[in-house]
Amino acid sequence: AQSVTQLGSHVSVSEGALVLLRCNYSSSVPPYLFWYVQYPNQGLQLLLKYTSAATLVKGINGFEAEFKKSETSFHLTKPSAHMSDAAEYFCAVSEPTGGGNKLTFGTGTQLKVEL
Amino acid sequence: KAGVTQTPRYLIKTRGQQVTLSCSPISGHRSVSWYQQTPGQGLQFLFEYFSETQRNKGNFPGRFSGRQFSNSRSEMNVSTLELGDSALYLCASSAGINSPLHFGNGTRLTVT
Repeated sequence: AQSVTQLGSHVSVSEGALVLLRCNYSSSVPPYLFWYVQYPNQGLQLLLKYTSAATLVKGINGFEAEFKKSETSFHLTKPSAHMSDAAEYFCAVSEPTGGGNKLTFGTGTQLKVEL
Repeated sequence: KAGVTQTPRYLIKTRGQQVTLSCSPISGHRSVSWYQQTPGQGLQFLFEYFSETQRNKGNFPGRFSGRQFSNSRSEMNVSTLELGDSALYLCASSAGINSPLHFGNGTRLTVT
C-alpha cells in the first residue's frame, strides 16, 4: 500500500527565511503527488501537483516542490516565508493505476512563521 | 465558478443518533470524495462516488454510508453515532481520475 511520510509535525521559521517542508512517499508505481494547505476552520487548498511532466513544480503563493525519484521525495520549499504562510501543510499521493481519486495523506506539518 | 459547498458547517449530535451531511461539488465535477479529519488519525479516506456509483471505499465500518445523486450532489450518513465519530468531515470534488481534489470547508460534527 502506498504511504506518505512528512518529517516534522511542527516547523518554525522566521519571516523572510527559507521554508522547507519534507515529504517522502512509498509507491510501487510512479505516483501523482500533491501538496495542500489548510488554514484554521477551512478545507484543504491545492498548492501544487506533480504528474510526471516536470520534476520541478511551481505552485501558488511562491511555493515549489521538486520530485526526486531516487530519494522518493517531494519536498516543498518557498524562498522567503511570509506571516500569511502560517498554516498546516499536507503532502498526498495518488497512484495512477487502479482508477478513482483516492488520496493518501501525510500526517501534516504545522508551519509557524515568527517575526 | 462556485467552489465545493458543504452543509451544515457545524453539527452537534448525541450518541446513538444518526446524521446526514451534504456536499455540492463544483459544477461539471462528477467525482465526489469524502474524508474524515481528526487530530489523532489525520485525514482518512471514507469513499468516492462517480456518476452515482461508489468507486472506492476506505476502511470504515458500515455505519458510514454515502450516495450520489444524478446532479452529482452527494450525501454521507453516519448511523448510531459514537463519541469517536467527532471529526471534521471534508468533501472534495474533482474533474477526473488523478485530477486534483477541490475541498469544501467541511462539516464539524461533535458527538456528545
